[in-house]
Amino acid sequence: QKEVEQNSGPLSVPEGAIASLNCTYSDRGSQSFFWYRQYSGKSPELIMSIYSNGDKEDGRFTAQLNKASQYVSLLIRDSQPSDSATYLCAVRVGNLIFGKGTKLSVKP
Amino acid sequence: NAGVTQTPKFQVLKTGQSMTLQCAQDMNHNSMYWYRQDPGMGLRLIYYSASEGTTDKGEVPNGYNVSRLNKREFSLRLESAAPSQTSVYFCASTASYEQYFGPGTRLTVT
Repeated sequence: QKEVEQNSGPLSVPEGAIASLNCTYSDRGSQSFFWYRQYSGKSPELIMSIYSNGDKEDGRFTAQLNKASQYVSLLIRDSQPSDSATYLCAVRVGNLIFGKGTKLSVKP
Repeated sequence: NAGVTQTPKFQVLKTGQSMTLQCAQDMNHNSMYWYRQDPGMGLRLIYYSASEGTTDKGEVPNGYNVSRLNKREFSLRLESAAPSQTSVYFCASTASYEQYFGPGTRLTVT
């Protein structure tokens, strides 16, 4: 069974802090990794994709991939209340396998 | 450029009724997907279409059928709705690896 695991949270951080979201996956053959943001009652929105080991930065977001440890993370710098949402990790093994999401709350 | 659109946004069905959820994309993507999202279960793949003219089962296909009408449109049909099919349904599409989602259909079966 191919699995993607995330801490369900909620993860609470103060405004301006760094939020760190983590994800592990079971299939070593996984090739592509994605982070989606989902606001309550809305659809998932792609915010980051990463395909090779290391870091990928886009604005306040940094995705980190470690294939040896089967671990992918998302860092959100200078967290804002508008970042409060559920963050879904997705891993491509054939089709996408989604984690159940981590709920992030950024407190003003 | 609307991206991925879905109709209807909300629907209430009685057990045993049938309905079709519609999805269309204007991004010229080859692949399209139907997911359902339930509390505590995450997103689960129902069916997908890798290209026009092909469809394949995903993780939870029972009780559903699909039609890839053309490159733009991919519909999901519930022939005899059951309360277990109460869920939020999302359509997605991709040209390669990055999937883009529609706004969703919230379906309640009573």
